[in-house]
Amino acid sequence: KNQVEQSPQSLIILEGKNCTLQCNYTVSPFSNLRWYKQDTGRGPVSLTIMTFSENTKSNGRYTATLDADTKQSSLHITASQLSDSASYICVVGSGAGSYQLTFGKGTKLSVIP
Amino acid sequence: GAGVSQSPSNKVTEKGKDVELRCDPISGHTALYWYRQSLGQGLEFLIYFQGNSAPDKSGLPSDRFSAERTGGSVSTLTIQRTQQEDSAVYLCASSYRGKGEKLFFGSGTQLSVL
Repeated sequence: KNQVEQSPQSLIILEGKNCTLQCNYTVSPFSNLRWYKQDTGRGPVSLTIMTFSENTKSNGRYTATLDADTKQSSLHITASQLSDSASYICVVGSGAGSYQLTFGKGTKLSVIP
Repeated sequence: GAGVSQSPSNKVTEKGKDVELRCDPISGHTALYWYRQSLGQGLEFLIYFQGNSAPDKSGLPSDRFSAERTGGSVSTLTIQRTQQEDSAVYLCASSYRGKGEKLFFGSGTQLSVL
């Protein structure tokens, strides 16, 4: 069964600090890995999408890494802001060109002043 | 439209009643998805529409759930004889072609079954 596990479940950091969120997956065949940000009461918003051949991708202060050998990904947030408070969801796509996605349960990040 | 629009944003219903949830995808997007998000759980796939192809209904949890997409645009998710376990946020997403692309999500419908 395809699974995506995220850690930690929740995290509290001070504004301006950096943090790293983890994602481990057992999805086969692997197609792509995505990170989404979900604000409370809103739908998820795409941050990055990486294919098998990509091992890092940035979107502003967000940098995602992918190690397809160990089936791990991380999302690094630099110089956190209060607006970064949200749930961050790791999503893995399976099959070439497939729409099949497996979602993690998310990491709830709280950035405090 | 500018984004994926879902209505209503909140729906409270009594057990046993039928409900209809609506999704307006981004204009020009041929792929449309429905997901369910229960508290503390990852998004659960319900159904996928792509152009004029037969939809993938493999995620629908029971025959009380159905969905249609009219004219390749607006979609309606219908839940008949609602149960308390149906309470969740129902999210709709669309993408240009549905092939490994970025999904654009609506804000969801919070369904509460009393």
